[in-house]
Amino acid sequence: EAQVTQNPRYLITVTGKKLTVTCSQNMNHEYMSWYRQDPGLGLRQIYYSMNVEVTDKGDVPEGYKVSRKEKRNFPLILESPSPNQTSLYFCASGFFDRVYGYTFGSGTRLTVV
Amino acid sequence: DAKTTQPTSMDCAEGRAANLPCNHSTISGNEYVYWYRQIHSQGPQYIIHGLKNNETNEMASLIITEDRKSSTLILPHATLRDTAVYYCIVRVHNAGNMLTFGGGTRLMVKP
Repeated sequence: EAQVTQNPRYLITVTGKKLTVTCSQNMNHEYMSWYRQDPGLGLRQIYYSMNVEVTDKGDVPEGYKVSRKEKRNFPLILESPSPNQTSLYFCASGFFDRVYGYTFGSGTRLTVV
Repeated sequence: DAKTTQPTSMDCAEGRAANLPCNHSTISGNEYVYWYRQIHSQGPQYIIHGLKNNETNEMASLIITEDRKSSTLILPHATLRDTAVYYCIVRVHNAGNMLTFGGGTRLMVKP
């Protein structure tokens, strides 16, 4: 089944403890991206990647890192999480050169205490 | 990407057609209209897209006005499971960035 898989679905962590949220897609998509969603602020893009080893900042990149070493994976790294990074996170992927919709993962609900 | 304007919320009776409007008066010639929806706290789901012709798929129909300044997403027989936030997005399909989501329309389908 074509899908974007995020793990974990839920995570509670403490301030300052490094964590990684994984994202994997099986559709050979060039594009991958991370969004966060907060009440009243909607979906905001954190980072995106146009292909392997190509990443760029979105609207709210502070406090996050990403890497794209393989086409299928695009992990989101929080080196030193803070409570203001408590949010619902979504990974998405799509084709760059075709007019298709993008596919989103099921989300990761992160709580930083 | 062109800016879009959608109503904040709408109601629809179950079994009736839901017509969700979107204004995109500054759309340029190579920009497509995409529709996504997000059912509570799930990942956004792609519904349909179009350039200038009307489009239909198994989920919905998309009607784009001749001047392309507005469009309407039609769910022909809304069900309770169609209750969601619907986002209209206008963009060039191979832009160097992904989707920018606005506020969307919160559709409530009522029994």
